[in-house]
Amino acid sequence: DVKVTQSSRYLVKRTGEKVFLECVQDMDHENMFWYRQDPGLGLRLIYFSYDVKMKEKGDIPEGYSVSREKKERFSLILESASTNQTSMYLCAVRKGRESGNTIYFGEGSWLTVV
Amino acid sequence: GNSVTQMEGPVTLSEEAFLTINCTYTATGYPSLFWYVQYPGEGLQLLLKATKADDKGSNKGFEATYRKETTSFHLEKGSVQVSDSAVYFCALSDRQGAQKLVFGQGTRLTINP
Repeated sequence: DVKVTQSSRYLVKRTGEKVFLECVQDMDHENMFWYRQDPGLGLRLIYFSYDVKMKEKGDIPEGYSVSREKKERFSLILESASTNQTSMYLCAVRKGRESGNTIYFGEGSWLTVV
Repeated sequence: GNSVTQMEGPVTLSEEAFLTINCTYTATGYPSLFWYVQYPGEGLQLLLKATKADDKGSNKGFEATYRKETTSFHLEKGSVQVSDSAVYFCALSDRQGAQKLVFGQGTRLTINP
């Protein structure tokens, strides 16, 4: 299986702070994703990336940006954190076509903005 | 656009009961279908998948069959255990572009001994 590592499990940040959430994969997979999970809403896609320096907006990109300078690392950035961005953030990686489009997730980062 | 609708929870069952969690989808083309499970405090784990019509995915006693005619992918288990308590997500992935996942809202399952 693909190993997806999110650098921080629990963070508490203040309103207005810049926040970086890091995600690293252990294989040479192109497609990486950032989702947020909220009760009753399931998972919603924020941004995804096809390859290095390539990014696409998902369903809820407002208030977020991303960076992918190296293939194995995909960072989610909150330029100015707000309380409505308190959530669980999940990074995911898609394995190649031979795996039947399977996407693997990290353990999640719980972010609280106060 | 693509969407997934899951049976609303929470669902509470006794150990050894039969489980069904309903999932229906709307999609253009022929998506791949997935069930993911999230145990307390953890990320999502792939439980099972099916990539074409009439395929049956199975894992850990759970099963789901890809039904194109009813656009459904219901999750079933014959005899649940306390350790199956978790949140279950149905999802689809189209076959174009980045093939990103679209999720249902999740169903919380609690199994009582």
